Amino acid sequence: EDQVTQSPEALRLQEGESSSLNCSYTVSGLRGLFWYRQDPGKGPEFLFTLYSAGEEKEKERLKATLTKKESFLHITAPKPEDSATYLCAVQANQGGKLIFGQGTELSVKP
Amino acid sequence: GAVVSQHPSWVICKSGTSVKIECRSLDFQATTMFWYRQFPKQSLMLMATSNEGSKATYEQGVEKDKFLINHASLTLSTLTVTSAHPEDSSFYICSAHIVSYEQYFGPGTRLTVT
Repeated sequence: EDQVTQSPEALRLQEGESSSLNCSYTVSGLRGLFWYRQDPGKGPEFLFTLYSAGEEKEKERLKATLTKKESFLHITAPKPEDSATYLCAVQANQGGKLIFGQGTELSVKP
Repeated sequence: GAVVSQHPSWVICKSGTSVKIECRSLDFQATTMFWYRQFPKQSLMLMATSNEGSKATYEQGVEKDKFLINHASLTLSTLTVTSAHPEDSSFYICSAHIVSYEQYFGPGTRLTVT
């Protein structure tokens, strides 16, 4: 069964304190792994898509990496505006639907 | 990036009535649209997959007669919650799928059934 597990469930950081969020997955043929940011009461905002092991993508203070079993979202020197829930999802080769993890709620204090 | 809109952003209705939610892709044509629901502090749960001109595919456990989906064009899909009850209160989010397999999400619709 295709499955996505994110850890930790919640993460509290001080402004400037770098850290990483983990997304472990099992899927029968990976078409893509997606990272989204979701603010309260809003829809998910697309961040990255990773397609193959070894791939890395960066956007401002965020960097996403991918291995055959997991993905990491590294946050460098976070700011309070980075506070949000970060969602990881996988798309299997068969079909286009996304399977989401439970998310990591990130809180960055000034 | 691709823009997806939803209307309304929030709605309150009485138990037993029906509510229609629209999902539009504003600057691209979506081959497929998806409908999700999200309960507080939980992740997104896929309800159904909608392809233009064909019947929607519902996930296991989702009542197709209760959640009617119509994909009228490559830029519009609608979700109608029929005979709504308080347990249908949730945050409903649509997404549109483009050729590169990426999905872009709408801002969501908060449904409250009293």
